[in-house]
Amino acid sequence: DVKVTQSSRYLVKRTGEKVFLECVQDMDHENMFWYRQDPGLGLRLIYFSYDVKMKEKGDIPEGYSVSREKKERFSLILESASTNQTSMYLCASSFGTSNQPQHFGDGTRLSIL
Amino acid sequence: AQTVTQSQPEMSVQEAETVTLSCTYDTSENNYYLFWYKQPPSRQMILVIRQEAYKQQNATENRFSVNFQKAAKSFSLKISDSQLGDTAMYFCAFVDGGTSYGKLTFGQGTILTVHP
Repeated sequence: DVKVTQSSRYLVKRTGEKVFLECVQDMDHENMFWYRQDPGLGLRLIYFSYDVKMKEKGDIPEGYSVSREKKERFSLILESASTNQTSMYLCASSFGTSNQPQHFGDGTRLSIL
Repeated sequence: AQTVTQSQPEMSVQEAETVTLSCTYDTSENNYYLFWYKQPPSRQMILVIRQEAYKQQNATENRFSVNFQKAAKSFSLKISDSQLGDTAMYFCAFVDGGTSYGKLTFGQGTILTVHP
């Protein structure tokens, strides 16, 4: 089975802190994605990566950056956390073609105080 | 840009009955894929069913089937013989079949509760 592992289920940080969310997949997937999930808004794409060191902005990249130094690992960085970034964050991975389903991690519920 | 709309924020159904979740989408693309994902309470999101736009036949996976109406841009999910374990949030999602790297556009989600 595909395993997508997110480093934390729950995280509490303070405004202005630099926050790192880590995601690791074990299926040699080319694509990796970061979403945030908010009630009534579904999942919105923050950033994605289709190869090592390659990244592209999604629909809501402001306030976030990402890093993909190794194929299996994709990190989401909140440069200076703000309260409006309190949310559920989901990582996903997939093979390279569009018809392949994405496999999701358990999610990280992040609270910024 | 593509959009996906799920107009039913919440639905409920009795165990063993059938329920249909609605989804509409908007796109100018002709080559695309549609998915339904399920997110049980406090658990991982998983794929329920997938439909290729070029296939006229509706996809079926055991108790789950879709009604894909390409001209109407509608993609509803039918769950037959509902079970308590079907209680979850369900998301409809769209992906462009071109060089989109599999980027999904999700609907807002529908919370389904199955009652005993």
